[in-house]
Amino acid sequence: DAGITQSPRHKVTETGTPVTLRCHQTENHRYMYWYRQDPGHGLRLIHYSYGVKDTDKGEVSDGYSVSRSKTEDFLLTLESATSSQTSVYFCAMRPGKDTEAFFGQGTRLTVV
Amino acid sequence: QKEVEQNSGPLSVPEGAIASLNCTYSDRGSQSFFWYRQYSGKSPELIMSIYSNGDKEDGRFTAQLNKASQYVSLLIRDSQPSDSATYLCAVSEGTYKYIFGTGTRLKVLA
Repeated sequence: DAGITQSPRHKVTETGTPVTLRCHQTENHRYMYWYRQDPGHGLRLIHYSYGVKDTDKGEVSDGYSVSRSKTEDFLLTLESATSSQTSVYFCAMRPGKDTEAFFGQGTRLTVV
Repeated sequence: QKEVEQNSGPLSVPEGAIASLNCTYSDRGSQSFFWYRQYSGKSPELIMSIYSNGDKEDGRFTAQLNKASQYVSLLIRDSQPSDSATYLCAVSEGTYKYIFGTGTRLKVLA
């Protein structure tokens, strides 16, 4: 497969708790992305990274932070989970700026 | 205004017909454009990429790009029930951003 995995695949957490989702790639690709997918909204960009320690905000970044200390790992943290953050989260990677993206399997997060 | 727009559908076409999916984008500087297919509960997978004005064909799929009108489309010829899925348009913006539309749900009726 494309060499990108997400963990966990499913998580249920309580409102107010911090949550970290992990994305791991084995392709040494420079660009990595976190999206959330909700009915009627398509894939919305949360944060992206263009290198180790180089990250920037996407269109729906409030309540989320990211870190990339190694090329292969891109972590998404929900600082204090809310019910509005219940969603399916996808991580993606790209080798170059005009190339296609390869996706992880997705993480279904439920905040109760 | 959303940066990449698609009609959410559902778009219903009979088996064997041509399905036409459309996408508009707001960033005139965008240079690369992509179509993905996503089955329910699965990750998006690439169908086609297009970078130049005009048509690009790959089997039953044709992507069309018009940068002046900021418009990209996907035609699926001889549609099959297995083509029933959500189709996502993606646009590379600036140096790093990769933005998706809301997706169009396609139903191919047997």
